[in-house]
Amino acid sequence: RKEVEQDPGPFNVPEGATVAFNCTYSNSASQSFFWYRQDCRKEPKLLMSVYSSGNEDGRFTAQLNRASQYISLLIRDSKLSDSATYLCVVNMGGGSYIPTFGRGTSLIVHP
Amino acid sequence: GAVVSQHPSWVICKSGTSVKIECRSLDFQATTMFWYRQFPKQSLMLMATSNEGSKATYEQGVEKDKFLINHASLTLSTLTVTSAHPEDSSFYICSARVEGSLGYTFGSGTRLTVV
Repeated sequence: RKEVEQDPGPFNVPEGATVAFNCTYSNSASQSFFWYRQDCRKEPKLLMSVYSSGNEDGRFTAQLNRASQYISLLIRDSKLSDSATYLCVVNMGGGSYIPTFGRGTSLIVHP
Repeated sequence: GAVVSQHPSWVICKSGTSVKIECRSLDFQATTMFWYRQFPKQSLMLMATSNEGSKATYEQGVEKDKFLINHASLTLSTLTVTSAHPEDSSFYICSARVEGSLGYTFGSGTRLTVV
């Protein structure tokens, strides 16, 4: 079983739609969780950290479920510019701070 | 915010030659730098973790003699792909964690094409 798993998609949605991605992780001791966005042929950029209580940033909402070992990202009112690959990143902890990446979920927002 | 400057952005080289990729941390000290490789439609795969002033830690399956990592200062880490072959063609990217903050800062990546 991979340490961090994501559905690669692609998720094809119309503008204005709400879309959600999940990401599961295998190590119950994982401590930090992030969502990154990666555009084609570009470096990943931090979208948002994921906190235990859940957090929201505009149209984006991230949640953590430690019991089931998954994190989620919800995008409301999708824009064309949201089209990208969304990477789930988990820091396995233990003081090493080595981030482990999921393979990413591709989102395509069409007119 | 913290920035990692990576260059070159892209490079085309002949098979058998060596290529050096540099990552510099601007406005912060990067004690640890992570080096990743990403093939098309694949996830970022950690190659090695470099710590300033010590030997890099390589992930299983990554040849340390082929991918030379040097982290001689708190602001500079380099990855040298030695005797490059077409199968080494990939997107190489570095990342650093900024002390006291969450998340990681990435370089802009280097697209290596070996012909």
